[in-house]
Amino acid sequence: KQEVTQIPAALSVPEGENLVLNCSFTDSAIYNLQWFRQDPGKGLTSLLLIQSSQREQTSGRLNASLDKSSGRSTLYIAASQPGDSATYLCAPDWAGGTSYGKLTFGQGTILTVHP
Amino acid sequence: DVKVTQSSRYLVKRTGEKVFLECVQDMDHENMFWYRQDPGLGLRLIYFSYDVKMKEKGDIPEGYSVSREKKERFSLILESASTNQTSMYLCASSSTSGLGGLGYNEQFFGPGTRLTVL
Repeated sequence: KQEVTQIPAALSVPEGENLVLNCSFTDSAIYNLQWFRQDPGKGLTSLLLIQSSQREQTSGRLNASLDKSSGRSTLYIAASQPGDSATYLCAPDWAGGTSYGKLTFGQGTILTVHP
Repeated sequence: DVKVTQSSRYLVKRTGEKVFLECVQDMDHENMFWYRQDPGLGLRLIYFSYDVKMKEKGDIPEGYSVSREKKERFSLILESASTNQTSMYLCASSSTSGLGGLGYNEQFFGPGTRLTVL
């Protein structure tokens, strides 16, 4: 069974800092990995999807890397802004058994960016 | 633009009631999912469907059933609501890609339904 750990559980930074969110998963047999953000009381917004054959994906100030063999993914946020404050979740699509895109979620990192 | 909608943002029901949560996607996606999210437990998969009338149990299917009569609509049914089913319910959809139907494209989520069972 796939298990996902996100570190740190919470992070508070001043505006403008570059920051790193970490995700590790126990089974490296994955099809891909998705990063989401969730604002309080809302649904999840997809940020980036990395296929298992890729090393990284970029979208604006966000960059996600994937090291499948070591079971790790990292989300980099450049020049953080107060609007980036949210919970960030990573979710690998585990290839164990038949898979139709069933994601396993970490507990998330709660990010607070203060002005 | 991608759109997953859920029938209610907030819902209050009584113990023992039959509850229907509806989800509609407009992206022609094959796969649809129901999750629940609870503090300290994260998101857990209840059921998913990979085609019309096809369904599979997720990690916590007990007390729930689902229906998918049309490709765009996936319903979650609480047969007899109980207080431990008070939770945030999230629907998602995705497209299948890759050989043999394995793998997928991005998974998109609806806004969630906050269900309270009294």
